[in-house]
Amino acid sequence: QVQLQESGPGLVKPSQTLSLTCTVSGGSISSGSNYWSWIRQPAGKGLEWIGRIYTSGTTNYNPSLKSRVTMSVDTSKNQFSLRLSSVTAADTAVYYCARDRWNTGGYSFDSWGQGTLVAVSS
Amino acid sequence: DIQMTQSPSSLSASVGDRVTITCRASQSISSYLNWYQQKPGKSPKLLIYAASSLQSGVPSRFSGSGSGTDFTLTISSLQPEDFATYYCQQSYDTPTWTFGQGTKVEI
Repeated sequence: QVQLQESGPGLVKPSQTLSLTCTVSGGSISSGSNYWSWIRQPAGKGLEWIGRIYTSGTTNYNPSLKSRVTMSVDTSKNQFSLRLSSVTAADTAVYYCARDRWNTGGYSFDSWGQGTLVAVSS
Repeated sequence: DIQMTQSPSSLSASVGDRVTITCRASQSISSYLNWYQQKPGKSPKLLIYAASSLQSGVPSRFSGSGSGTDFTLTISSLQPEDFATYYCQQSYDTPTWTFGQGTKVEI
């Protein structure tokens, strides 16, 4: 059973860059036809998909965030990462990493990290 | 982007009730529809993928149906542990995934 764990600063100043890492355990990040996604959830609100990365480095980003998002992967460490630039208070949220797995009938997020709260404040 | 609209936004139910949640897509998404359950302070959990396939380990009281633009999640007999928020998500519009706004199931 694969497990995911987010890590990174819980507080970021406005206009700076948010950086998070997701460590995958219980399996190789390179196995299977899996993408690896970031999803966020502001307090009391719904889920927003940020983007995903394949182990080849191929990325797909939410168009609404594309200009500020960069994702990377380090297969030697079984990790993938998120950078979100020029943050504002609107970026305050719980950030989740998740496995975006292909099943017959499409992709779904079948494994999730526990989430990490990132607050944007001076 | 494909918009996903869930109804109702919240509902009150009792243990043993049959509960139905609806999700409508702004355009046809075939059967590329997933359902998640989220409890307070926890990460979402996949219940149903491809509109009607039950994720491994999920109780059989959960079922999904629909195709095209209209989908439903049904809980056949609500249990105390089922009180949570439920989200639908489309995986048709590669690769811009979108979620519904959520349906909170309360006592």
